[in-house]
Amino acid sequence: GEDVEQSLFLSVREGDSSVINCTYTDSSSTYLYWYKQEPGAGLQLLTYIFSNMDMKQDQRLTVLLNKKDKHLSLRIADTQTGDSAIYFCATGANNLFFGTGTRLTVIP
Amino acid sequence: DAGVTQSPTHLIKTRGQQVTLRCSPKSGHDTVSWYQQALGQGPQFIFQYYEEEERQRGNFPDRFSGHQFPNYSSELNVNALLLGDSALYLCASSLEQGHTEAFFGQGTRLTVV
Repeated sequence: GEDVEQSLFLSVREGDSSVINCTYTDSSSTYLYWYKQEPGAGLQLLTYIFSNMDMKQDQRLTVLLNKKDKHLSLRIADTQTGDSAIYFCATGANNLFFGTGTRLTVIP
Repeated sequence: DAGVTQSPTHLIKTRGQQVTLRCSPKSGHDTVSWYQQALGQGPQFIFQYYEEEERQRGNFPDRFSGHQFPNYSSELNVNALLLGDSALYLCASSLEQGHTEAFFGQGTRLTVV
C-alpha cells in the first residue's frame, strides 16, 4: 500500500511562515491533498494540487510538489494562532492514504 | 448546504456488541467513503460505496460492513466490537463524475469498553 510520511510536530511564532512537509510512495496519484483537523473535529480540505503542477497558491497557502522526489509541502504565510491544528497530507484517487499528521503549534 | 452529516457524534459500546453509524453525504454527491482514525493516527480507509455497492475496501476484517441507500446516505456496521475498534469514524462524500475533492463529516467518536 501507499506510504505517506510527515514529521509529527512543528512550532512557529505568530506572523512567521510555517512549512509542513510530506513524502509519499505512490507516484500514480492524480491529486494530492492537504487537510486540517482541529481538536475533536473532522477533516477540513485546505487545498489540493494536480500531479502535473509544481506549485499552487491560494491566499496564504502555497503548495509545492516535487514529483521526482515524491515530496509535497504546504507553506502557510503569516501564521496565526487559529492555524494551530493537525495537518494531514493525503494521496490517492478513490481512496485516500493519509500521513500521521503534523501538529502545528503557533506561539503568540 | 449542510455538508456531510454523521450521527451519532459520540457512542459508547461494550465489547462484543454491534454498532451502526450513519452518514448523509453533501448535497449532489453520490459516493461515500468511510475511514477509521485511531487516536494520534491519520485516517485509514475502510471502504467506499457507489451505486449502493461496495466498490473498494481497505484492510479491515469482515466485522466491518456497510450499506448505501438509494438517496446516497450510508451506514457503517461493526459487529463483535473489540476494544481496538475505539476510534473516530469519518465519512467522506464525493462525486463520481469528474474530479471532486472528498468532503468529510465531523465524525462519530466510538468508545468500546
